[in-house]
Amino acid sequence: QQQVRQSPQSLTVWEGETAILNCSYENSAFDYFPWYQQFPGEGPALLISILSVSDKKEDGRFTIFFNKREKKLSLHIADSQPGDSATYFCAASVPSGSWQLIFGSGTQLTVMP
Amino acid sequence: GGIITQTPKFLIGQEGQKLTLKCQQNFNHDTMYWYRQDSGKGLRLIYYSITENDLQKGDLSEGYDASREKKSSFSLTVTSAQKNEMAVFLCASSRQSNYAEQFFGPGTRLTVL
Repeated sequence: QQQVRQSPQSLTVWEGETAILNCSYENSAFDYFPWYQQFPGEGPALLISILSVSDKKEDGRFTIFFNKREKKLSLHIADSQPGDSATYFCAASVPSGSWQLIFGSGTQLTVMP
Repeated sequence: GGIITQTPKFLIGQEGQKLTLKCQQNFNHDTMYWYRQDSGKGLRLIYYSITENDLQKGDLSEGYDASREKKSSFSLTVTSAQKNEMAVFLCASSRQSNYAEQFFGPGTRLTVL
């Protein structure tokens, strides 16, 4: 009930392509979904986030599409660059006021030049 | 802005040893977290502290103790290190509010011989 699932586990795209990273969840009470980006040797950093009242959030080349009915969301990275190569974590907030996040297992993205 | 400092960066211990990891933040955040990151398994919450003098168990608290010495520091103790254990321990902090961004440190990589 608390799980967040991500697919694929790893993804390779060419520079300039759109990378699509998928995320799904089970708990319909989750209401906030941040995506974190992690480079090797560093901690994750917030990339973009969406609230469940919205179905789309854009920030430059990064777009989240959210389907509340199907409990699915996806992160689209347009015009992928080699510098986007990183691991991306989808997370969901526990709606209990404790400010906990439930993280997915991550998608490792490689952008080939 | 601010920074999260984790010490040590690398920690090598023996089976059964008690090991302590330290985290300091200068964001003046109320809430701090300890996560464990295993390859392919995402981030799992060990302990968190909503305010100074508060301590809450996460899903992975067994085998660990934590201490919030003051607002800016949060320590994690592995009570009895397990042989072949290898993981990265990440400390994070956030404001005490819903949907607050979590800021992560670079991690401590633990190896148990």
